[in-house]
Amino acid sequence: AQSVAQPEDQVNVAEGNPLTVKCTYSVSGNPYLFWYVQYPNRGLQFLLKYITGDNLVKGSYGFEAEFNKSQTSFHLKKPSALVSDSALYFCAVRELGYNNNDMRFGAGTRLTVKP
Amino acid sequence: NAGVTQTPKFRVLKTGQSMTLLCAQDMNHEYMYWYRQDPGMGLRLIHYSVGEGTTAKGEVPDGYNVSRLKKQNFLLGLESAAPSQTSVYFCASSYSPPAGLYNEQFFGPGTRLTVL
Repeated sequence: AQSVAQPEDQVNVAEGNPLTVKCTYSVSGNPYLFWYVQYPNRGLQFLLKYITGDNLVKGSYGFEAEFNKSQTSFHLKKPSALVSDSALYFCAVRELGYNNNDMRFGAGTRLTVKP
Repeated sequence: NAGVTQTPKFRVLKTGQSMTLLCAQDMNHEYMYWYRQDPGMGLRLIHYSVGEGTTAKGEVPDGYNVSRLKKQNFLLGLESAAPSQTSVYFCASSYSPPAGLYNEQFFGPGTRLTVL
């Protein structure tokens, strides 16, 4: 079965600095990878996804993610962090197969951007 | 267009009580899902549905039942609540295949359930 790991519980960055939130995955076939963001007391919101094609994926709010097949990673990045980016970020992977069309989420990484 | 809505937002139950959580979506999505979110564990899939009248088990289905009698609604039931079911429950929906399997899910605002 597919799985995803987010090795950092917490990431702290200063406003204006670049940010990276890490994600690694494990699948037996082709991965379909997603990033979601959760603000306090809200449901998850979609940021971006990788299905196929270019390894660099651009998404909402200036975020991007790089798919690296050899390292089985899909790290989320942003060139210049904003205080409003502070939230909980989830990486997710979906693998298609017989009776297996669910999505597996990582445990989440809490991003704090300080002024 | 309300998206995905969940009822109720909060609920406190005593051990052994039953309840039903309601999820509704107005996007004409075929796929609907129920997740639970626990600290340090991310989201875990409880049950999902690929269309009206069909449901399937996810990663953690024990203690829960679901029904999808109408396309726009997906109900999650707890027949005999246990403290281990204290969690935040999220409903989500997505488009149908072939695009749906690659598409993002749209989430509701969540239901915070406490079982004493």
